[in-house]
Amino acid sequence: NAGVTQTPKFQVLKTGQSMTLQCAQDMNHEYMSWYRQDPGMGLRLIHYSVGAGITDQGEVPNGYNVSRSTTEDFPLRLLSAAPSQTSVYFCASSLGDSWLANYGYTFGSGTRLTVV
Amino acid sequence: SQKIEQNSEALNIQEGKTATLTCNYTNYSPAYLQWYRQDPGRGPVFLLLIRENEKEKRKERLKVTFDTTLKQSLFHITASQPADSATYLCALAGGSGGYNKLIFGAGTRLAVHP
Repeated sequence: NAGVTQTPKFQVLKTGQSMTLQCAQDMNHEYMSWYRQDPGMGLRLIHYSVGAGITDQGEVPNGYNVSRSTTEDFPLRLLSAAPSQTSVYFCASSLGDSWLANYGYTFGSGTRLTVV
Repeated sequence: SQKIEQNSEALNIQEGKTATLTCNYTNYSPAYLQWYRQDPGRGPVFLLLIRENEKEKRKERLKVTFDTTLKQSLFHITASQPADSATYLCALAGGSGGYNKLIFGAGTRLAVHP
């Protein structure tokens, strides 16, 4: 199993550009989430999904869109990149409530995004 | 608002000693608390979970305590090794926040010296 795969690993964008961060998991996990990690601030939840076709906003959703058309994929779209979105982005997945409570989330290796 | 605090300063200890990391929270009543390990350039890796009705949990050299009255969790690594050097994150979930929304602390960096 590949686990949670994020692409690209690194990206530089110009202000105003749009792009999609890809996240795929091959573990048949229902729950998927996107977090951003900034120095000294911990991981902050952007958007999450509890299954295909279901998404909801987290703590810092502004400037980001998500969709969940399949169980495997959960892409994160930046609509118009801003320097404040410079961060490391992590995608995470879990099988469901009971799995999450016992085994936590499985994280990808992250995408380091710089907006200039 | 919900807040989780972990020591922002790095913890430096000698190999073989016990490392103790602290996680404090406010304005939250979690159903459980999780601890993760994060190495540079990598995503967090799940270590342990403790539920609100549990006082202590152990796994090999790791021990977690959870005091819902003090709103605090302590994470202990006994007989620490240089390979334990990493950043350790605590995360809360459940209660009003829902089980699928983990709230993370900023993490504490642990350095174990030979």
